Amino acid sequence: GAVVSQHPSWVICKSGTSVKIECRSLDFQATTMFWYRQFPKQSLMLMATSNEGSKATYEQGVEKDKFLINHASLTLSTLTVTSAHPEDSSFYICSARAALAKNIQYFGAGTRLSVL
Amino acid sequence: DAKTTQPPSMDCAEGRAANLPCNHSTISGNEYVYWYRQIHSQGPQYIIHGLKNNETNEMASLIITEDRKSSTLILPHATLRDTAVYYCIVREHSNSGYALNFGKGTSLLVTP
Repeated sequence: GAVVSQHPSWVICKSGTSVKIECRSLDFQATTMFWYRQFPKQSLMLMATSNEGSKATYEQGVEKDKFLINHASLTLSTLTVTSAHPEDSSFYICSARAALAKNIQYFGAGTRLSVL
Repeated sequence: DAKTTQPPSMDCAEGRAANLPCNHSTISGNEYVYWYRQIHSQGPQYIIHGLKNNETNEMASLIITEDRKSSTLILPHATLRDTAVYYCIVREHSNSGYALNFGKGTSLLVTP
């Protein structure tokens, strides 16, 4: 089956620093990748949609200058949380949709971000 | 997207079938029913999807009523590792690249 690798799985950083999270589709080309955020005991909330080679589309209320998304290739998308603050602590999950897979999305294992 | 309604939680004994219901009474003709699950602290996992016919794969079976207003995901022999939150999502089966909208899902607890 399709595999999406997300790295790192867990990161702790100091307030004010930036953190980069990588999302790779290992055995397929992902024309579209999605970034979600999940707070404890809540469901996944979509942050942004990125298509390879174009700017990401952010959901309402998500700051594009704070959450930088780059989708430079068909197998890699990155999310950079800039100037992280404790309220950014969350579980970040990426997913990828293969070109011909319609709406079946494959998810990474998630990244647990803790900002001190 | 059509709205879905799922019970917040269910219990199932290990080895028994787990039947997870989902109501989607406003589903339109070109919308599919997708099921995903999320084991604690992991990313969601695709399980199965269908339009109107019943579907079966190595993980589960999906039974969709004839009027398509509801469906049931069946895990035929639940194991402790099936404890997870199960999400029923209704979406058009298109290449538009739209994200999946996750509701609250059903928290399934499989007990020994």
